[in-house]
Amino acid sequence: GNSVTQMEGPVTLSEEAFLTINCTYTATGYPSLFWYVQYPGEGLQLLLKATKADDKGSNKGFEATYRKETTSFHLEKGSVQVSDSAVYFCALSRGSARQLTFGSGTQLTVLP
Amino acid sequence: KAGVTQTPRYLIKTRGQQVTLSCSPISGHRSVSWYQQTPGQGLQFLFEYFSETQRNKGNFPGRFSGRQFSNSRSEMNVSTLELGDSALYLCASSLGGERDYGYTFGSGTRLTVV
Repeated sequence: GNSVTQMEGPVTLSEEAFLTINCTYTATGYPSLFWYVQYPGEGLQLLLKATKADDKGSNKGFEATYRKETTSFHLEKGSVQVSDSAVYFCALSRGSARQLTFGSGTQLTVLP
Repeated sequence: KAGVTQTPRYLIKTRGQQVTLSCSPISGHRSVSWYQQTPGQGLQFLFEYFSETQRNKGNFPGRFSGRQFSNSRSEMNVSTLELGDSALYLCASSLGGERDYGYTFGSGTRLTVV
């Protein structure tokens, strides 16, 4: 079946540091890939998505590239801010199976 | 425009009771999906409704059920509550088309079973 593996957290960085959160997936065919962010006490917000190989999703300084050859969708940001502190989830959705399969989430804390 | 609204935000129930959670999707969205979030199991898909029909279902026992009304509002019901049902229940709405992946999540209902 489908699965998503995220790097284990928590991740603690200083403000303006470079961020990478690794995400790899297992799925047949060509899934769509997503990054969601969850702030304390809130639901999930879509951060970015990519629907085909080599697509790059980007939003608010975050980027991720759909790599079919390595089945990866790593999240990156060049300079994190304290306000980026949250839990980040990688997810996939495949074909007509209208459900998201999530990774376990990565807690990010950015210190001033 | 208004987002996805889930009510209530918090619930405390006793083991063996049943509970109903409500989700109002974004206006114009016809698909509503439900997810359970727990520290141990993470985010797991429960079911999806589109135009009042259950279109997809996750791997949960029959105690978990749902429905969708003609105005796209959805409810999920959990009967005979167990301690392990304590979780954050999230719903997500979308337009529901074949290639539509614009899921918008609500803030969730935090259910505690004691």
